[in-house]
Amino acid sequence: DIQMTQSPSSLSASVGDRVTITCRASQSIDNYLNWYQKKSGKAPRLLIYAASRLPGGVPSRFSGSGSGTDFTLTISSLQPEDFATYYCQQSYSTLYTFGLGTRLEIK
Amino acid sequence: QVQLVQSGAEVKKPGSSVRVSCRASGDSFSGFALSWVRQAPGQGLEWMGGITPIFETRNYAQKFQGRVVIAADESTSTVYMELRSLRSEDSAVYYCARGGGIGGDWFDPWGQGTLVTVSS
Repeated sequence: DIQMTQSPSSLSASVGDRVTITCRASQSIDNYLNWYQKKSGKAPRLLIYAASRLPGGVPSRFSGSGSGTDFTLTISSLQPEDFATYYCQQSYSTLYTFGLGTRLEIK
Repeated sequence: QVQLVQSGAEVKKPGSSVRVSCRASGDSFSGFALSWVRQAPGQGLEWMGGITPIFETRNYAQKFQGRVVIAADESTSTVYMELRSLRSEDSAVYYCARGGGIGGDWFDPWGQGTLVTVSS
């Protein structure tokens, strides 16, 4: 299986900060990388697909980049509703795998 | 726009089985894949497997091979996930999500989640 490694595992930041989360794949996955936001008690929400594409309804402060093995999720200016856990997920292989998550907390 | 509605919470004994359903509405059911993802308390998201009803194809994570069965009833636009030989570590919230049938796919939207508790 393709292993997905996220860093950091947790992060403290303030409203208005710019935040970057990194995801690394154990092999090249082209741009088959998706990002999700997960809040406690709620279903995951798709934030970014195909490494850099925003689904409708996702604020433009979210952006994704990367290809091959290294990817980033950036939040340009943190809002109070952005404090959550973020997961990357590869879809290069149909044995889909997620990273362990990055918990974003209020400083 | 497809919406996914899951069945309610379950409490099961170790060694038993659980079946969780996911009904799709608002879009053609047979034209897409549906996957199951779980999250145990304090843990991350874990893909279990998926089905593409129109092709009657399934794929399962190796971890769950032999213990999980995913099936679809196209007449009711419902997908089922049955997990057998339950143990305490299977206590989790189980989600269905559209997607997972092909490479390059993503999971969206998601069902509301079903809490499964395994306890003696």
